[in-house]
Amino acid sequence: AQTVTQSQPEMSVQEAETVTLSCTYDTSESDYYLFWYKQPPSRQMILVIRQEAYKQQNATENRFSVNFQKAAKSFSLKISDSQLGDAAMYFCAYNQGGKLIFGQGTELSVKP
Amino acid sequence: GAVVSQHPSWVICKSGTSVKIECRSLDFQATTMFWYRQFPKQSLMLMATSNEGSKATYEQGVEKDKFLINHASLTLSTLTVTSAHPEDSSFYICSARDRRSHQETQYFGPGTRLLVL
Repeated sequence: AQTVTQSQPEMSVQEAETVTLSCTYDTSESDYYLFWYKQPPSRQMILVIRQEAYKQQNATENRFSVNFQKAAKSFSLKISDSQLGDAAMYFCAYNQGGKLIFGQGTELSVKP
Repeated sequence: GAVVSQHPSWVICKSGTSVKIECRSLDFQATTMFWYRQFPKQSLMLMATSNEGSKATYEQGVEKDKFLINHASLTLSTLTVTSAHPEDSSFYICSARDRRSHQETQYFGPGTRLLVL
């Protein structure tokens, strides 16, 4: 069965600095999608970034970028120039047959 | 675009009553919607997959008679918690997948907090 692992329950970053959140997954598939979602205190799930496995180029969305290592089954999220509004729970997710398999989440705090 | 709404956002009910939660895709059609449950400080747990015009597919361990799902149209799915008990208290989130999209992205509703007394 596919699994998604986020090994960092909590992370902290100073405002304006860069932080990287880790995610590994297990799959035997060759074509799939990976996602990072953000869940702020409001608990609304917000799509941060999406990566298609067949694309070698790492996805980027403004201050958010991923380091996708397909062979290593690693999908880390880098947040540059961290802002107070980035404080949230971050979930990595793998798409399996249309369903999302979520990691355990990483709670990110941003220090002013 | 890709907005999903849920109603109600908060509900408190007495034990034994039934509660219906609505999930709507506001600006796109969704052939598939998903229902999740989330406990505090935990990840999302998929309960069921809802397909328009057909029966929902439930995950292992989820009681289909307890959690009734209806996907009556391409923009509406409902979750009914029947004969609710305090252990059903949780945060319920729906998501929808745009039928035009081939990128498997799910867009989430704001969630519903259910408290059963």
